[in-house]
Amino acid sequence: QSVLTQPPSVSGAPGQRVTISCTGSSSNIGAGYDVHWYQQLPGTAPKLLIYGNSNRPSGVPDRFSGSKSGTSASLAISGLQAEDEADYYCQSYDSSLSGPVVFGGGTKLTVL
Amino acid sequence: QVQLVQSGSELKKPGASVKVSCKASGYTFTSYAMNWVRQAPGQGLEWMGWINTNTGNPTYAQGFTGRFVFSLDTSVSTAYLQISSLKAEDTAVYYCARVWGPVVSEHYMDVWGKGTTVTVSS
Repeated sequence: QSVLTQPPSVSGAPGQRVTISCTGSSSNIGAGYDVHWYQQLPGTAPKLLIYGNSNRPSGVPDRFSGSKSGTSASLAISGLQAEDEADYYCQSYDSSLSGPVVFGGGTKLTVL
Repeated sequence: QVQLVQSGSELKKPGASVKVSCKASGYTFTSYAMNWVRQAPGQGLEWMGWINTNTGNPTYAQGFTGRFVFSLDTSVSTAYLQISSLKAEDTAVYYCARVWGPVVSEHYMDVWGKGTTVTVSS
């Protein structure tokens, strides 16, 4: 069981907007620690997508956005494209024995 | 450009050892810590720990103590992961990833190696 909970799968049609949630607790997201997101395309290494809750590294399209509130964070992808089909992982810091670095279980995004 | 180049796939028998390398280039190696992340077949990402490339001090996650050792050779900007007494359940892809953030609570991984597949089978 992952410390950070993500839905196993989400889907959307091209052009649509989807969101992926990442739910934590008072020892991680709820304690104010930042959330970061990674995209893993099939058969490749993860890639940093969002850092510090809502910041995009250079080269990441502005279709990708992140937010955080309370004990949860969200990744939103607008204008869905076929090449967005991938696994997405959230990551944060946890002050309990589970940490200090924790990942969500991952969410498979399917573009219909 | 900044990159991490990992060693090639390994096939090992149970009980053997393996050493995975991660060679950094394009930046000052000792200015950024290095994480190790495991991904078992069909599973998610699992943080194994990190090593301070300035001091050589490793930190291991729960479940990765004893058989797992992080080390460095700063003369060739390379980090290593050694796993001893290999078991079938160690079969996975192992990634090195550069750490960004001055303190652990702010750590994230901004550059990743392509991964090294370790297969443990008799």
